Amino acid sequence: EDKVVQSPLSLVVHEGDTVTLNCSYEVTNFRSLLWYKQEKKAPTFLFMLTSSGIEKKSGRLSSILDKKELFSILNITATQTGDSAIYLCALHGSSNTGKLIFGQGTTLQVKP
Amino acid sequence: DGGITQSPKYLFRKEGQNVTLSCEQNLNHDAMYWYRQDPGQGLRLIYYSQIVNDFQKGDIAEGYSVSREKKESFPLTVTSAQKNPTAFYLCASTPLVGTGYTFGSGTRLTVV
Repeated sequence: EDKVVQSPLSLVVHEGDTVTLNCSYEVTNFRSLLWYKQEKKAPTFLFMLTSSGIEKKSGRLSSILDKKELFSILNITATQTGDSAIYLCALHGSSNTGKLIFGQGTTLQVKP
Repeated sequence: DGGITQSPKYLFRKEGQNVTLSCEQNLNHDAMYWYRQDPGQGLRLIYYSQIVNDFQKGDIAEGYSVSREKKESFPLTVTSAQKNPTAFYLCASTPLVGTGYTFGSGTRLTVV
């Protein structure tokens, strides 16, 4: 059974800190791994990763995938209070249905 | 502007009543999904549909029902058989062979 586990479940940092969020997975047939940010309501798309070792970057956020060790990390540098959110990791696995399997999420709080 | 609209944003239900949550998209996406989100548990798949007049159960379908009579619409009914319906419900859509999801803004259902 495909599975996604995120760690830590919650994290409190101060502005300017760098954080690393972890996502490990088990999958029969890998298609892609996605990261979302959820502030209040709808999750918003951050990254989609399909290949190992290729870093995706958007401003202060970056993410990388390791398909051999079955994990991904999301880095946020120079954190700001606006980064406070739930960060969701999702796996697009075996089927052709487009189903995503989500991890529990990591709740990040950035204090001023 | 294209997107997904969920309504209502907040819904209160008495025990024993059925309620229907609306989800409408104008993105011309083939596939639509319903997820439930509880604190600390991430998103769990309730039902999904890849084409009109066809849908499949997700991981937690018991106590829920759906229909897909039009491509644009995928309403979710929470029945009285659902033992713990208080949760945040998210609808999403994607092209059948696409990238990530587009999410609606969610409906928060509270049983009183």
